[in-house]
Amino acid sequence: DADVTQTPRNRITKTGKRIMLECSQTKGHDRMYWYRQDPGLGLRLIYYSFDVKDINKGEISDGYSVSRQAQAKFSLSLESAIPNQTALYFCATGGATEAFFGQGTRLTVV
Amino acid sequence: QKEVEQNSGPLSVPEGAIASLNCTYSDRGSQSFFWYRQYSGKSPELIMSIYSNGDKEDGRFTAQLNKASQYVSLLIRDSQPSDSATYLCAVVISGGSYIPTFGRGTSLIVHP
Repeated sequence: DADVTQTPRNRITKTGKRIMLECSQTKGHDRMYWYRQDPGLGLRLIYYSFDVKDINKGEISDGYSVSRQAQAKFSLSLESAIPNQTALYFCATGGATEAFFGQGTRLTVV
Repeated sequence: QKEVEQNSGPLSVPEGAIASLNCTYSDRGSQSFFWYRQYSGKSPELIMSIYSNGDKEDGRFTAQLNKASQYVSLLIRDSQPSDSATYLCAVVISGGSYIPTFGRGTSLIVHP
C-alpha cells in the first residue's frame, strides 16, 4: 500500500460545484502539503500544515480551503470550482525538509 | 523571478551518455537541496538529497552542490531510456518554514 494515498485519482466536476480531495498518510509525519501542478508552471504550494492545529496558506491559496482532521489526514476543498482550477493535485508529507508525494488527483472542471 | 530556476529542456542525450541537469536558486539561506524524478502522469519521487558543498554519489546519480555560486546539479551516468522523465529541483530555506520550493523541472529524453 502507498504511504500517501489520495482519493479520488480522477475527477470531472462542473463549474460552481464544491469538491473535496482527500489525503491520508501512514508515514507518521507531522507535515502535510497540498501542491498543484500545471504544465510549464511546476509544483505550486496551496496549503501546508505542521500539525492538526497549524494550517498555513501557500502561494496560491485563493479559492481553496483545507482541513486537517488528524495527523494522518489532510483534505483540500474547492468551494466553488472554476475551470482554471483544472490541474493535477498532489498531497505530500514530509519530515524536516524532504517531501513524499501521493499518486495525485487529476481534476477537470468543465 | 521564481526562487528556483531550471531549464525546461527537453535535454536529449543518447543512451549510455552522461546527462547533466542544472538548477540555480536565489536565496543564500538555502540549506537543503533535493532532486525528484517525475514520470509523465505520475507523482514526483525523491532520488537524491544533498546538504553540503561537493559531490554526493548514489549509484548512477551524482548530486553536486556549490553554495557560493548558488547552483545544484544532477549527473546521471550511463543514461538509460528508463531515465526519460522530468527532473525537479527542490530547495529548502533555513530560518523559514522549511517548506520545499520546487523548480519547474527539466525534461530529459534518453534515446536509444
